[in-house]
Amino acid sequence: AQSVTQLGSHVSVSEGALVLLRCNYSSSVPPYLFWYVQYPNQGLQLLLKYTTGATLVKGINGFEAEFKKSETSFHLTKPSAHMSDAAEYFCAVSLNMGGGNKLTFGTGTQLKVEL
Amino acid sequence: GAGVSQTPSNKVTEKGKYVELRCDPISGHTALYWYRQSLGQGPEFLIYFQGTGAADDSGLPNDRFFAVRPEGSVSTLKIQRTERGDSAVYLCASSLEASRTDTQYFGPGTRLTVL
Repeated sequence: AQSVTQLGSHVSVSEGALVLLRCNYSSSVPPYLFWYVQYPNQGLQLLLKYTTGATLVKGINGFEAEFKKSETSFHLTKPSAHMSDAAEYFCAVSLNMGGGNKLTFGTGTQLKVEL
Repeated sequence: GAGVSQTPSNKVTEKGKYVELRCDPISGHTALYWYRQSLGQGPEFLIYFQGTGAADDSGLPNDRFFAVRPEGSVSTLKIQRTERGDSAVYLCASSLEASRTDTQYFGPGTRLTVL
């Protein structure tokens, strides 16, 4: 079985401040991990993903995440928040046993960026 | 190029009615996924197609839900005898193949409201 926990359903930061969105996972197999962003009335868009190799993954729009196996975490960070980063963010883990790439998502974190 | 499209964008129906939700994947993508996103939750996997066949339908909640992809491109999710609990946003995603490393591209979703 696998699951994803996102701590904090709502996070508020000031423009220019550090963004930190937390994600912890459980997986019975080596995980593939993803962060998606969802803007209002738009589809989910992939920010970044970890499959194998380097544990620090860089994505679009200045976001990055680090896979820490010992902590079962994949937290998303951005050094300086911009107003356009306001959106909902989902962490997901992939299970591919016997084919397919079913994603199990967390419940999401709504990011608010204030002036 | 064109992304994943879903029609209709909104569907309101009465309890007990039948509905069909359509997904047009990105051209050339062989894998197609359906997810359901209830209010305040992350997307939950329903079914996945590799080509024309449903390779994994373990996420379908009951036999009122059915999906087809007859020509390996467009897919239709069908819900019979709708219930108020079926109200959610239904998301479709496609990927080039079905491996864990392939990115899933999401459509904007169909918001289903059952009165």
